[in-house]
Amino acid sequence: DAKTTQPTSMDCAEGRAANLPCNHSTISGNEYVYWYRQIHSQGPQYIIHGLKNNETNEMASLIITEDRKSSTLILPHATLRDTAVYYCIVRPHGGGFKTIFGAGTRLFVKA
Amino acid sequence: DGGITQSPKYLFRKEGQNVTLSCEQNLNHDAMYWYRQDPGQGLRLIYYSQIVNDFQKGDIAEGYSVSREKKESFPLTVTSAQKNPTAFYLCASGLAAATDTQYFGPGTRLTVL
Repeated sequence: DAKTTQPTSMDCAEGRAANLPCNHSTISGNEYVYWYRQIHSQGPQYIIHGLKNNETNEMASLIITEDRKSSTLILPHATLRDTAVYYCIVRPHGGGFKTIFGAGTRLFVKA
Repeated sequence: DGGITQSPKYLFRKEGQNVTLSCEQNLNHDAMYWYRQDPGQGLRLIYYSQIVNDFQKGDIAEGYSVSREKKESFPLTVTSAQKNPTAFYLCASGLAAATDTQYFGPGTRLTVL
């Protein structure tokens, strides 16, 4: 299964854009990139996913490089409530159901 | 309201006792999952089920058991064989396709005394 690498933690000022990077150099052609976040002691929340095109929804934007080996999640105007652990996940190849959640990036949004 | 529920939020048990964690969803999802999360760690898959009356072991199934008698329900039993049962347990559900989003419940924090 493709693995992902994320920084352990990041800081962001309130109101500024938060850019969270993820490396997934072994991603296969039909594997999607997913982002979830987990606020302390709650269940993870889905944010966004994509295959190769950039995606945007009401929560965030996802930028995937042309070679698909890395991606960036962008929170355009971070708020204090965006402080959470952000997980970058690659869904497994060939229809499997195992989703590998690594340690993620702990984002601290500061006033 | 549609969603996925887990109960209770906090659970305490004595060592050596089996305990069953509840997970219910009314999203009409075929697939359901159980994960374990230890402090500062990511999620690890315990069991998953793609359809009623069928389930598969995840990465850390030893010491756990599940059943899927109804589409809406996927209870997890933590048995006395699980060496370190104290953890945060998360249930999720999703549509049957592998690329579908998973929706998570609020979690149950189990403490074994």
